Amino acid sequence: DQQVKQNSPSLSVQEGRISILNCDYTNSMFDYFLWYKKYPAEGPTFLISISSIKDKNEDGRFTVFLNKSAKHLSLHIVPSQPGDSAVYFCAASVDNFNKFYFGSGTKLNVKP
Amino acid sequence: SQTIHQWPATLVQPVGSPLSLECTVEGTSNPNLYWYRQAAGRGLQLLFYSVGIGQISSEVPQNLSASRPQDRQFILSSKKLLLSDSSFYLCAWSKNNEQFFGPGTRLTVL
Repeated sequence: DQQVKQNSPSLSVQEGRISILNCDYTNSMFDYFLWYKKYPAEGPTFLISISSIKDKNEDGRFTVFLNKSAKHLSLHIVPSQPGDSAVYFCAASVDNFNKFYFGSGTKLNVKP
Repeated sequence: SQTIHQWPATLVQPVGSPLSLECTVEGTSNPNLYWYRQAAGRGLQLLFYSVGIGQISSEVPQNLSASRPQDRQFILSSKKLLLSDSSFYLCAWSKNNEQFFGPGTRLTVL
């Protein structure tokens, strides 16, 4: 039962342009969402998160948008850089719950 | 600051051999601890999580087991490895709704 879905396995973007990575979820109880970046043979690194009481959170080039009614969140990277090329995972959790549900990941390729 | 250690970084084991992967966390107390697996080209599959010493929840039935002998130590084990156990294994800890991952162990079963 995939409660968090990333329907695009890959995305290719030109350097300097915007990268938009999407994530959908089915469980309306989720109230905290996270994005991770992962390079091959390394553990995922935390990028940015958002609580369900907000609809936007920004950190430098990274912005996460949350649309609770659509059960959809997205990560925007502006401007995209070649070093952003990695697999991006979104994850969701319920407050005070012990489990994090991950999407299957989107592989981003930023072309110089 | 908190750090998480995993070892070994890579491991090649024959089919039928035992397995022991270790994970330790520093700089925090009573964290939730997790073992995930990522097969090639796949997402993160939660294997086990623990909310305290000796408390283990299993997510996927398989020939793996986990133990938490100390507050900040989490061990992934198997008595007999299968070829299908070849994967990238990740340990993670969480507190206050955020989760942080270790560097991972690449396990190859031959």
